[in-house]
Amino acid sequence: DAGVTQSPTHLIKTRGQQVTLRCSPKSGHDTVSWYQQALGQGPQFIFQYYEEEERQRGNFPDRFSGHQFPNYSSELNVNALLLGDSALYLCASSLWPFTGELFFGEGSRLTVL
Amino acid sequence: AQTVTQSQPEMSVQEAETVTLSCTYDTSESNYYLFWYKQPPSRQMILVIRQEAYKQQNATENRFSVNFQKAAKSFSLKISDSQLGDTAMYFCAFITLNNAGNMLTFGGGTRLMVKP
Repeated sequence: DAGVTQSPTHLIKTRGQQVTLRCSPKSGHDTVSWYQQALGQGPQFIFQYYEEEERQRGNFPDRFSGHQFPNYSSELNVNALLLGDSALYLCASSLWPFTGELFFGEGSRLTVL
Repeated sequence: AQTVTQSQPEMSVQEAETVTLSCTYDTSESNYYLFWYKQPPSRQMILVIRQEAYKQQNATENRFSVNFQKAAKSFSLKISDSQLGDTAMYFCAFITLNNAGNMLTFGGGTRLMVKP
């Protein structure tokens, strides 16, 4: 039973570029959440997707957008990259409504130069 | 606003000893889950222990146990018989249950070093 998988594991971009990160939830889960973790800090909630709709959003600008596909996998897109977007991006999967189970992927490390 | 505070940025403990990590949180909701996550240098967030707010009994998982004080909004983690593999960042977090979505709110973390 595959857990939460994320790709790519590492990537380097330059300021102004765009990036797409991908996440496949744990088998049987239908809800995907994205978190940004800056170095030395706790993760911050970006947004959550269920039934291909954004259900809740944290305090992030519109440069951050997402998508969920019919197979429950999800993408996180960040446009016009800033140096401050350098972080570990974590994907978590769960069920809707929440049952207490929430699993994280290994994350995608984004470096913006 | 929902917040989580971990007042100990760093802690160390000798192997085989016991250590307690502190966590306080603030929410106006009455229905929520509390979590402790471990994040080793490999960076994957690993669930250590979970507590449902409506349960008065403190959760335990082998060497890990919590002291949940709902009125005080406190949720500390006790690690008994510490092992070298327990060295990691530990994050306290909670998730409230509502129909609009479920977001985890994390604390800033405590870096735990287990010394041989």
